Amino acid sequence: DIVMTQSPDSLSVSLGERATISCKSSQSVLYRSNNKNYLAWYQHKPGQPPKLLIYWASTRESGVPDRFSGSGSGTDFTLTISSLQTEDVAVYYCQQYYTTTWTFGQGTKVEIK
Amino acid sequence: QVQLVESGGGVVQPGRSLRLSCAASGFTFSNYAMHWVRQAPGKGLEWVAVISYDGINKYYSDSVKGRFTISRDNSKNTLYLQMNSLRPEDTAVYYCARTPQWLYPFDIWGQGTMVTVSS
Repeated sequence: DIVMTQSPDSLSVSLGERATISCKSSQSVLYRSNNKNYLAWYQHKPGQPPKLLIYWASTRESGVPDRFSGSGSGTDFTLTISSLQTEDVAVYYCQQYYTTTWTFGQGTKVEIK
Repeated sequence: QVQLVESGGGVVQPGRSLRLSCAASGFTFSNYAMHWVRQAPGKGLEWVAVISYDGINKYYSDSVKGRFTISRDNSKNTLYLQMNSLRPEDTAVYYCARTPQWLYPFDIWGQGTMVTVSS
């Protein structure tokens, strides 16, 4: 199975400041045939289901604010929140959908400093 | 609107069985692959199982293989998870989620149903 490792485990950022989360996969999730990275990011708030934010590593889901952006390729990926808002307090997960064992990272908790 | 609603959770003793359901509405259920994902208390998300749109292809995580069975009834717009030989480590919130294509992210999730395995 592909192992997804996020860093850091938790992050404390001031309102309006940038938050950056890293995700590394144990093997490449880039399909050469279509040049797509099979990597998604989710936001998970307590008492709510996870919400898809980013897919194909950098494509924002419809309705997701543009302060959320994804980047990276192969095995190294980043989720950036350009200007942290109070409603962004949540746990963020990366996920690979490259194989038929869809695996998640361990999660990164984002809080307000 | 597009909606997934899980049911069937509860408290069950170790070794017993439980069946979860996920009722879909607001979209053509038979066009989508469906997944179960769980979150144990204080832990992260763990993918559990997937079933193809037509019910033919099924995959499981190693942690549930041989004990859990995923199935669907497209005539009833419902997804199921039959959980047998339950263990305390199966205690979690269980979510169903849909995916538009086989190797694709999960774009819609249900609210989840809690399963507690305890004597």
